[in-house]
Amino acid sequence: EVPLVEYGGGLVQPGGSLRLSCVGSGFTFNYHMTWVRLTPGKGLEWLANIRDYGSEKFYADSVKGRFTISRDNAWNTLYLEMTSLRVDDTGIYYCARAENTAVVSDYYYYALDVWGRGTTVTVSS
Amino acid sequence: QSVLTQPPSVSAAPGQRVTIFCSGSTSNVANNHVSWYQHLPGTAPKLLIWDNYKRGSDVPDRFSGSKTGTSATLAITGLQAADEGDYYCAIWDIGLSAFGTGTKVTVL
Repeated sequence: EVPLVEYGGGLVQPGGSLRLSCVGSGFTFNYHMTWVRLTPGKGLEWLANIRDYGSEKFYADSVKGRFTISRDNAWNTLYLEMTSLRVDDTGIYYCARAENTAVVSDYYYYALDVWGRGTTVTVSS
Repeated sequence: QSVLTQPPSVSAAPGQRVTIFCSGSTSNVANNHVSWYQHLPGTAPKLLIWDNYKRGSDVPDRFSGSKTGTSATLAITGLQAADEGDYYCAIWDIGLSAFGTGTKVTVL
């Protein structure tokens, strides 16, 4: 059983939209979650975070206003709604789970301990 | 552009040691716990090191991490062909996260 599996990648034209899903299994889904992508020539890039129950969301500047992260814990699913897609959004998109690894002076530290295998998004005309 | 800077590539012969530096600032590396990820071709990234130096039971002790001030380091000793791939440092906070620019490890 693969703990995280991404769906929804594909070919889309510039300016188009796409919705990615990430389904979790084998663990209680109420972790903070994140989307990360691997783009040609740029390496891994953090895109967005969402709190365990969805109360807060944070975005990288490169996708702010274009991408929306959301989740449905009842369905163990994380989403990434992508709009106004550009050629440089092409890449492999991964979801990952943020595990709390330490608490120091009431500050929580995390690492991404479980990753999906990724889904490929190609933006091209 | 990432706020965490790594050398683009390092290389060494099998059995040798390589070190990868991750340079940040007081607003990221110095005041956070650094993690390191291994990304081999065609696979999902794998967590190697967390909280600057902690290593999982499935990670060989050839991999070690450390941090001093605004810089973190990943060392790989006894380099093997299977280690060839990309390595990234990262900080993850709910409000702001970042990956390093990535380092390609080549086994000569």
